[in-house]
Amino acid sequence: NAGVTQTPKFQVLKTGQSMTLQCAQDMNHEYMSWYRQDPGMGLRLIHYSVGAGITDQGEVPNGYNVSRSTTEDFPLRLLSAAPSQTSVYFCASSRTGVGDSPLHFGNGTRLTVT
Amino acid sequence: QQQVKQSPQSLIVQKGGISIINCAYENTAFDYFPWYQQFPGKGPALLIAIRPDVSEKKEGRFTISFNKSAKQFSLHIMDSQPGDSATYFCAASKRRGNSGGSNYKLTFGKGTLLTVNP
Repeated sequence: NAGVTQTPKFQVLKTGQSMTLQCAQDMNHEYMSWYRQDPGMGLRLIHYSVGAGITDQGEVPNGYNVSRSTTEDFPLRLLSAAPSQTSVYFCASSRTGVGDSPLHFGNGTRLTVT
Repeated sequence: QQQVKQSPQSLIVQKGGISIINCAYENTAFDYFPWYQQFPGKGPALLIAIRPDVSEKKEGRFTISFNKSAKQFSLHIMDSQPGDSATYFCAASKRRGNSGGSNYKLTFGKGTLLTVNP
């Protein structure tokens, strides 16, 4: 099992460019989510999905889009990158989205927007 | 509004000492309180978790103490080792709405950088 795989590991964008951060899990997990991690800010939820075709906004959704066409994949799209989106992005999944189902995190994508 | 407050921001402990990290929450609807451990360059990983119907949970050198009336919980690392050096996040979750379905949201504290000196 690879678990949660994120690509790319590093990315540098210019302001206004678009890109997609990829996330795939091979654990047949229902729930997938995207977090961003900034110094002193902890982990903040961007978007999440409770199954294929179902997505919802988290705490900081502005500037990001998601879709969930399959159980395995949950890409995060930046339509027009801004310097404020410089961060480390983590994708996470869990077997279900309820109760004590632990989150399994990928190893992150470090994004710099210049 | 910060729903989970974590302290301290950083902590330095000598090998063999006790590391204590504290968290406080505001929303009484929270019903699950996990701690995640993150090593540099890696994603966080679940370390230990507790539900509000118990006051303490111990797994090896790691213990969560939970005070429901004070809305506080803490992580204690006994006999701290250099390999415990990492960032620790407390978190809390609640179900959104009354559907009982898979729509819970995990809210994290801001993290504590623990350094254990040899």
